[in-house]
Amino acid sequence: NAGVTQTPKFRVLKTGQSMTLLCAQDMNHEYMYWYRQDPGMGLRLIHYSVGEGTTAKGEVPDGYNVSRLKKQNFLLGLESAAPSQTSVYFCASSYGRAEQFFGPGTRLTVL
Amino acid sequence: DQQVKQNSPSLSVQEGRISILNCDYTNSMFDYFLWYKKYPAEGPTFLISISSIKDKNEDGRFTVFLNKSAKHLSLHIVPSQPGDSAVYFCAARDTGTASKLTFGTGTRLQVTL
Repeated sequence: NAGVTQTPKFRVLKTGQSMTLLCAQDMNHEYMYWYRQDPGMGLRLIHYSVGEGTTAKGEVPDGYNVSRLKKQNFLLGLESAAPSQTSVYFCASSYGRAEQFFGPGTRLTVL
Repeated sequence: DQQVKQNSPSLSVQEGRISILNCDYTNSMFDYFLWYKKYPAEGPTFLISISSIKDKNEDGRFTVFLNKSAKHLSLHIVPSQPGDSAVYFCAARDTGTASKLTFGTGTRLQVTL
Protein backbone atom coordinates (compact mmCIF):
# COMPACT_ATOMS: atom_id res chain seq x y z
CA ASN A 1 0.00 0.00 0.00
CA ALA A 2 1.23 3.46 -0.91
CA GLY A 3 -0.75 5.09 1.91
CA VAL A 4 -1.30 8.79 1.21
CA THR A 5 0.37 10.27 -1.85
CA GLN A 6 0.51 13.89 -3.01
CA THR A 7 1.15 15.37 -6.43
CA PRO A 8 3.20 17.43 -7.19
CA LYS A 9 6.04 17.48 -4.65
CA PHE A 10 7.17 21.00 -5.58
CA ARG A 11 5.66 23.85 -7.55
CA VAL A 12 6.48 27.47 -8.25
CA LEU A 13 3.63 29.73 -9.35
CA LYS A 14 3.35 33.36 -10.32
CA THR A 15 0.81 35.55 -8.56
CA GLY A 16 -2.59 35.08 -10.15
CA GLN A 17 -1.93 31.64 -11.59
CA SER A 18 -4.08 28.67 -10.68
CA MET A 19 -3.22 25.11 -9.80
CA THR A 20 -4.63 21.93 -8.31
CA LEU A 21 -2.95 19.74 -5.72
CA LEU A 22 -3.92 16.09 -5.80
CA CYS A 23 -4.14 13.81 -2.80
CA ALA A 24 -4.79 10.09 -3.13
CA GLN A 25 -5.16 7.40 -0.47
CA ASP A 26 -5.47 3.65 -0.86
CA MET A 27 -6.62 2.83 2.68
CA ASN A 28 -10.36 3.21 1.99
CA HIS A 29 -10.56 6.04 4.52
CA GLU A 30 -13.75 8.04 4.73
CA TYR A 31 -12.21 11.24 6.07
CA MET A 32 -9.66 13.40 4.26
CA TYR A 33 -8.04 16.71 5.19
CA TRP A 34 -5.89 19.46 3.73
CA TYR A 35 -3.47 21.38 5.98
CA ARG A 36 -0.88 24.04 5.44
CA GLN A 37 2.27 24.35 7.50
CA ASP A 38 4.00 27.68 7.94
CA PRO A 39 7.05 28.47 10.08
CA GLY A 40 6.13 28.91 13.73
CA MET A 41 2.46 28.14 13.13
CA GLY A 42 2.11 24.38 13.19
CA LEU A 43 -0.41 22.73 10.87
CA ARG A 44 -3.63 24.57 10.12
CA LEU A 45 -6.68 22.92 8.61
CA ILE A 46 -7.81 24.36 5.27
CA HIS A 47 -10.70 22.09 4.23
CA TYR A 48 -11.84 18.59 5.04
CA SER A 49 -14.22 15.90 3.82
CA VAL A 50 -16.14 13.25 5.73
CA GLY A 51 -17.02 11.25 2.65
CA GLU A 52 -17.28 11.15 -1.12
CA GLY A 53 -19.12 14.20 -2.43
CA THR A 54 -18.86 16.16 0.83
CA THR A 55 -16.52 19.00 1.79
CA ALA A 56 -16.36 21.52 4.62
CA LYS A 57 -14.29 24.54 5.62
CA GLY A 58 -11.55 24.35 8.15
CA GLU A 59 -9.66 27.05 10.01
CA VAL A 60 -8.09 28.85 7.01
CA PRO A 61 -10.26 28.18 3.90
CA ASP A 62 -10.04 31.56 2.12
CA GLY A 63 -8.47 31.40 -1.33
CA TYR A 64 -8.86 27.62 -1.62
CA ASN A 65 -11.47 25.27 -3.01
CA VAL A 66 -11.71 21.49 -2.73
CA SER A 67 -13.50 18.58 -4.34
CA ARG A 68 -14.00 14.93 -3.35
CA LEU A 69 -15.53 13.30 -6.42
CA LYS A 70 -14.02 9.91 -5.62
CA LYS A 71 -13.53 8.44 -2.16
CA GLN A 72 -9.82 7.95 -2.67
CA ASN A 73 -9.03 11.43 -4.01
CA PHE A 74 -9.17 14.88 -2.45
CA LEU A 75 -8.23 17.87 -4.62
CA LEU A 76 -7.14 21.28 -3.37
CA GLY A 77 -7.44 24.17 -5.81
CA LEU A 78 -5.95 27.64 -5.83
CA GLU A 79 -7.88 29.78 -8.33
CA SER A 80 -5.66 32.86 -8.14
CA ALA A 81 -2.47 32.24 -6.21
CA ALA A 82 -1.10 34.88 -3.84
CA PRO A 83 2.33 35.11 -2.17
CA SER A 84 0.58 34.50 1.19
CA GLN A 85 -0.20 31.00 -0.06
CA THR A 86 3.47 30.10 -0.16
CA SER A 87 3.56 27.15 2.21
CA VAL A 88 3.95 23.42 2.58
CA TYR A 89 0.66 21.61 2.04
CA PHE A 90 -0.13 18.29 3.66
CA CYS A 91 -2.99 15.96 2.95
CA ALA A 92 -4.18 13.45 5.55
CA SER A 93 -6.80 10.73 5.80
CA SER A 94 -8.42 8.74 8.58
CA TYR A 95 -11.09 6.15 9.38
CA GLY A 96 -12.77 8.74 11.58
CA ARG A 97 -10.72 7.80 14.61
CA ALA A 98 -8.34 10.34 16.07
CA GLU A 99 -5.23 9.18 14.20
CA GLN A 100 -4.66 10.75 10.80
CA PHE A 101 -2.21 9.49 8.21
CA PHE A 102 -0.26 12.15 6.35
CA GLY A 103 1.17 12.42 2.87
CA PRO A 104 4.73 13.62 2.16
CA GLY A 105 3.69 17.20 1.40
CA THR A 106 3.77 19.67 -1.49
CA ARG A 107 6.06 22.67 -1.25
CA LEU A 108 4.45 25.61 -3.05
CA THR A 109 6.11 28.94 -3.74
CA VAL A 110 4.10 31.84 -5.13
CA LEU A 111 6.20 34.66 -6.59
CA ASP B 1 -6.67 32.01 19.96
CA GLN B 2 -4.28 29.10 20.15
CA GLN B 3 -6.07 26.15 21.71
CA VAL B 4 -3.00 23.89 21.70
CA LYS B 5 0.32 25.37 22.76
CA GLN B 6 3.84 24.09 22.72
CA ASN B 7 5.81 26.79 24.48
CA SER B 8 9.27 25.36 23.86
CA PRO B 9 10.32 25.80 20.21
CA SER B 10 13.40 23.65 20.74
CA LEU B 11 14.99 21.16 23.10
CA SER B 12 18.45 19.63 23.17
CA VAL B 13 19.09 16.38 25.04
CA GLN B 14 22.06 14.06 25.29
CA GLU B 15 21.80 10.56 23.90
CA GLY B 16 20.61 8.11 26.55
CA ARG B 17 18.93 10.78 28.66
CA ILE B 18 15.20 11.48 28.98
CA SER B 19 13.49 13.92 26.62
CA ILE B 20 10.36 15.63 27.94
CA LEU B 21 8.18 17.56 25.53
CA ASN B 22 5.29 19.59 26.88
CA CYS B 23 1.92 20.69 25.54
CA ASP B 24 -0.89 22.78 27.03
CA TYR B 25 -4.45 23.11 25.83
CA THR B 26 -7.44 25.28 26.60
CA ASN B 27 -10.45 23.47 25.11
CA SER B 28 -12.18 21.14 27.59
CA MET B 29 -13.99 19.42 24.71
CA PHE B 30 -10.84 17.73 23.44
CA ASP B 31 -11.26 13.96 23.84
CA TYR B 32 -8.05 12.59 22.31
CA PHE B 33 -4.50 13.84 22.31
CA LEU B 34 -1.82 12.74 19.89
CA TRP B 35 1.88 13.24 19.28
CA TYR B 36 3.28 13.34 15.78
CA LYS B 37 6.91 13.24 14.73
CA LYS B 38 8.13 15.05 11.64
CA TYR B 39 11.43 14.78 9.81
CA PRO B 40 12.47 17.47 7.29
CA ALA B 41 10.83 17.13 3.86
CA GLU B 42 8.49 14.40 5.10
CA GLY B 43 4.92 14.32 6.35
CA PRO B 44 4.11 13.99 10.06
CA THR B 45 3.95 10.42 11.34
CA PHE B 46 1.79 9.32 14.23
CA LEU B 47 3.72 8.44 17.36
CA ILE B 48 1.39 7.87 20.31
CA SER B 49 -2.01 8.96 21.57
CA ILE B 50 -4.02 9.11 24.76
CA SER B 51 -7.72 9.27 25.47
CA SER B 52 -8.97 11.99 27.79
CA ILE B 53 -10.24 9.28 30.17
CA LYS B 54 -6.71 8.02 30.81
CA ASP B 55 -3.70 9.66 32.41
CA LYS B 56 -0.89 7.59 30.92
CA ASN B 57 -0.15 5.61 27.80
CA GLU B 58 3.10 3.82 27.08
CA ASP B 59 4.59 2.40 23.89
CA GLY B 60 8.15 1.23 24.11
CA ARG B 61 10.43 4.20 24.76
CA PHE B 62 7.54 6.65 24.46
CA THR B 63 5.12 7.57 27.25
CA VAL B 64 2.46 10.23 27.18
CA PHE B 65 1.06 11.68 30.39
CA LEU B 66 -2.18 13.63 30.61
CA ASN B 67 -3.12 15.96 33.46
CA LYS B 68 -6.69 17.03 32.74
CA SER B 69 -7.03 19.36 35.69
CA ALA B 70 -3.99 21.30 34.49
CA LYS B 71 -4.89 20.86 30.80
CA HIS B 72 -1.36 19.66 30.21
CA LEU B 73 0.20 16.69 28.49
CA SER B 74 3.78 15.60 28.08
CA LEU B 75 5.72 13.13 25.97
CA HIS B 76 8.62 11.30 27.59
CA ILE B 77 11.24 9.58 25.47
CA VAL B 78 13.55 7.25 27.38
CA PRO B 79 16.29 6.69 26.45
CA SER B 80 16.68 9.34 23.78
CA GLN B 81 18.42 8.31 20.57
CA PRO B 82 19.94 10.39 17.75
CA GLY B 83 17.20 9.13 15.41
CA ASP B 84 14.65 10.84 17.65
CA SER B 85 15.89 14.21 16.43
CA ALA B 86 12.86 15.70 14.70
CA VAL B 87 10.03 18.17 15.20
CA TYR B 88 7.30 16.90 17.51
CA PHE B 89 3.75 18.17 17.19
CA CYS B 90 1.11 17.84 19.85
CA ALA B 91 -2.46 17.57 18.50
CA ALA B 92 -5.91 17.37 20.03
CA ARG B 93 -9.25 16.16 18.70
CA ASP B 94 -12.50 17.96 19.46
CA THR B 95 -15.42 15.69 20.32
CA GLY B 96 -17.81 15.18 17.42
CA THR B 97 -16.10 17.41 14.88
CA ALA B 98 -15.30 15.02 12.03
CA SER B 99 -12.17 13.97 13.91
CA LYS B 100 -10.56 17.30 13.17
CA LEU B 101 -7.25 17.88 14.87
CA THR B 102 -5.85 21.10 16.29
CA PHE B 103 -2.06 21.18 16.25
CA GLY B 104 0.50 22.93 18.38
CA THR B 105 3.37 24.84 16.80
CA GLY B 106 5.88 22.05 17.35
CA THR B 107 9.06 21.47 19.36
CA ARG B 108 12.32 20.70 17.60
CA LEU B 109 14.17 17.98 19.50
CA GLN B 110 17.87 17.51 18.96
CA VAL B 111 19.51 14.48 20.52
CA THR B 112 23.25 14.96 20.76
CA LEU B 113 25.94 12.32 21.05
